[in-house]
Amino acid sequence: AQKITQTQPGMFVQEKEAVTLDCTYDTSDPSYGLFWYKQPSSGEMIFLIYQGSYDQQNATEGRYSLNFQKARKSANLVISASQLGDSAMYFCAMRARGGGNKLTFGTGTQLKVEL
Amino acid sequence: DARVTQTPRDKVTEMGQEVTMRCQPILGHNTVFWYRQTMMQGLELLAYFRNRAPLDDSGMPKDRFSAEMPDATLATLKIQPSEPRDSAVYFCASGSDSQYGYTFGSGTRLTVV
Repeated sequence: AQKITQTQPGMFVQEKEAVTLDCTYDTSDPSYGLFWYKQPSSGEMIFLIYQGSYDQQNATEGRYSLNFQKARKSANLVISASQLGDSAMYFCAMRARGGGNKLTFGTGTQLKVEL
Repeated sequence: DARVTQTPRDKVTEMGQEVTMRCQPILGHNTVFWYRQTMMQGLELLAYFRNRAPLDDSGMPKDRFSAEMPDATLATLKIQPSEPRDSAVYFCASGSDSQYGYTFGSGTRLTVV
């Protein structure tokens, strides 16, 4: 079984600061992928970044980076230079080959960027 | 940009009525998911298809929900009869073997009164 845990229901960060959103996962499958999605107040789900279990380097996409610590089973999202538009709900998700490649989501972290 | 199209965007219906939600996945995508999002339960996987074949619908209440993919350009989720507890946002997402992330539609906000 796959499980994603996001322990921070809400986070605040000041504009231009960096923020880390925590995500831990559990799977016995050696082949898996980790995702982060952003859901602004408008409701759409926006794919941000992906990390494969065999990737040697941490994934980066613009201001987003994924701090992947395989031994700890954590995949934290780091947003650098926060902007007001980053205020949203952020979901961590996992897909494992043994799980039929379905996407399992965590409960999300509500991020608010303040001036 | 290629998009996953969901219709209707909003639906208000009376308890007991049939509801059909539609999804047009991105052309070329072979995997389609249906998710339901509520405040209490978060994002729940209801069903998903690969190459139009249903792979897993264990998250779906079988007595009232059904999901189909009559062709590669259309996925449907039907609720009959609808109940107030079905009120939620229903998302469709599609993906392919050659890409990492799944693309979500804008969702259908369903309210059953």
